Amino acid sequence: QQQVKQSPQSLIVQKGGIPIINCAYENTAFDYFPWYQQFPGKGPALLIAIRPDVSEKKEGRFTISFNKSAKQFSLHIMDSQPGDSATYFCAASMAGNTPLVFGKGTRLSVIA
Amino acid sequence: GAVVSQHPSWVICKSGTSVKIECRSLDFQATTMFWYRQFPKQSLMLMATSNEGSKATYEQGVEKDKFLINHASLTLSTLTVTSAHPEDSSFYICSAKGLANEQFFGPGTRLTVL
Repeated sequence: QQQVKQSPQSLIVQKGGIPIINCAYENTAFDYFPWYQQFPGKGPALLIAIRPDVSEKKEGRFTISFNKSAKQFSLHIMDSQPGDSATYFCAASMAGNTPLVFGKGTRLSVIA
Repeated sequence: GAVVSQHPSWVICKSGTSVKIECRSLDFQATTMFWYRQFPKQSLMLMATSNEGSKATYEQGVEKDKFLINHASLTLSTLTVTSAHPEDSSFYICSAKGLANEQFFGPGTRLTVL
């Protein structure tokens, strides 16, 4: 009941392409949905986050689309660059001092 | 964004020794911090929730006597791996919760037990 399912496991796109990573959740009590970017040997960095009262949020080249009825959310990276090559994790949490529930991650490779 | 630091960034120790890892929120106060463990090419595994001034809450399967957590102030939580063994070698990452429910992660600590 606490799972967040993330797909695909890995993704290769060409420079300038738009990789899309999808996540689905079951727990309707989740009210915070962040995406993290992690480079090898580093901690995850908060990229962008959304709450269920909006369907889309854009920050720079990163966009989250949120479908509350389907219990799904996705990350789109516009004009992807080789420097975007990293592992991306979606997550979800409830209000209060509750921990994040993470997806299993997507390894993105952007090739020139 | 908010900054969370960890110290040390890496540590190598002999089997049987104890290792302390510090996690600090540098520009905000965090009543709640979390400790995670991450194996290569895997997701983050929550070990425990650390609340300032109270005992930590450990996830199922995590030995509280082996992984001692102390959250003595609003900006500092420590994780002590006691009597470390090679199977404890991993990447340990802390996070701190901000006022708007966001979680900010530290850079991680690579522990290698020989």
